[in-house]
Amino acid sequence: AQSVTQPDIHITVSEGASLELRCNYSYGATPYLFWYVQSPGQGLQLLLKYFSGDTLVQGIKGFEAEFKRSQSSFNLRKPSVHWSDAAEYFCAVGTTSGTYKYIFGTGTRLKVLA
Amino acid sequence: EAGVTQSPTHLIKTRGQQATLRCSPISGHTSVYWYQQALGLGLQFLLWYDEGEERNRGNFPPRFSGRQFPNYSSELNVNALELEDSALYLCASSLGFRVFFGQGTRLTVV
Repeated sequence: AQSVTQPDIHITVSEGASLELRCNYSYGATPYLFWYVQSPGQGLQLLLKYFSGDTLVQGIKGFEAEFKRSQSSFNLRKPSVHWSDAAEYFCAVGTTSGTYKYIFGTGTRLKVLA
Repeated sequence: EAGVTQSPTHLIKTRGQQATLRCSPISGHTSVYWYQQALGLGLQFLLWYDEGEERNRGNFPPRFSGRQFPNYSSELNVNALELEDSALYLCASSLGFRVFFGQGTRLTVV
């Protein structure tokens, strides 16, 4: 079955520390992969996406993610977190066969300590 | 083309009652997502329906439930309302890789 798992519901890091948000997926074919961020009062914003090619993807706001096919993972990373990064982060898989669909993870809430 | 429509716009209920929120996705979209946006908090994923079935569920108690109809519209039901259920409930549908949100239903529990 197609699924996206974000195993961490909440993560707390100190400002300036590094960050890694985990995402694992289950999908039969090569997926399209996305990370979205949802800040309070704002809509979903696309951070980055992977369709093909280089498995290390650079996104906005200093984020990057690495697609690891062998581990069915697409973890989001940032070397130094800023207080403004506090938000909800959603990993998503875009299906590549038939009608395009999103499969969203349940989200990880990031809290940043000053 | 009509966007994602939600009804009602506002809903006031008393604690312990049930609330029913409705969502009509964009024509041709088979997936419907429900989110809760409580005051001061980010968007929290509630439920995902696709092709009439519940595909994924967020970290919410069972009194949050819903369904998707054959025409792909959806209902979100919240039973035994609690004060902290007061929030904006957003419905979304997707086409390709763009997510379209409705305007939301503001639920107030008093």
